[in-house]
Amino acid sequence: GDSVTQMEGPVTLSEEAFLTINCTYTATGYPSLFWYVQYPGEGLQLLLKATKADDKGSNKGFEATYRKETTSFHLEKGSVQVSDSAVYFCALMVGTASKLTFGTGTRLQVTL
Amino acid sequence: ETGVTQTPRHLVMGMTNKKSLKCEQHLGHNAMYWYKQSAKKPLELMFVYSLEERVENNSVPSRFSPECPNSSHLFLHLHTLQPEDSALYLCASSLSRGEKLFFGSGTQLSVL
Repeated sequence: GDSVTQMEGPVTLSEEAFLTINCTYTATGYPSLFWYVQYPGEGLQLLLKATKADDKGSNKGFEATYRKETTSFHLEKGSVQVSDSAVYFCALMVGTASKLTFGTGTRLQVTL
Repeated sequence: ETGVTQTPRHLVMGMTNKKSLKCEQHLGHNAMYWYKQSAKKPLELMFVYSLEERVENNSVPSRFSPECPNSSHLFLHLHTLQPEDSALYLCASSLSRGEKLFFGSGTQLSVL
């Protein structure tokens, strides 16, 4: 079956540090890949997505590249801010009317 | 603010209680979802409704009973829950199945 594996958190960084959150996937078809973010006390929000191999999704300074050869979709940001503290979920979807399969989430804490 | 509202935000109930979670959206979306978020586990899709018809039930125990009276409202009726059912229950909606999900802030449920 389809599955998503994320690095366990929490990830603790100082402000302006470089961020990488690893995500790898297993899928029966050709998935679309997503990163969702959950800020404290809120629901999940779509952060970025990529629908085919070598696509790069980007939003709010975050980027992730769809790597078919390594079945990965790692999230990166060059300089994190305290306001980026949240839980980040990697997810995939195979087909257009299929369900999203989520990872376990990775908590990011950014300190001054 | 995503446009999806869930009430209550927090709920504590005993194992013999009956309670209901409510979700409301006025985004004109036709698909609504219930997810369960437990610590260190992937987000679990519980139910999917499309045009007020249940189209997916992912082996959820019968002590969870969903109801979708119209396209704007979704309920999750709870009866004789177990302590392991304690989790954050998230509602989401989308224009149609497979489209971008909009999540509510969730109901944090504690079963004593």
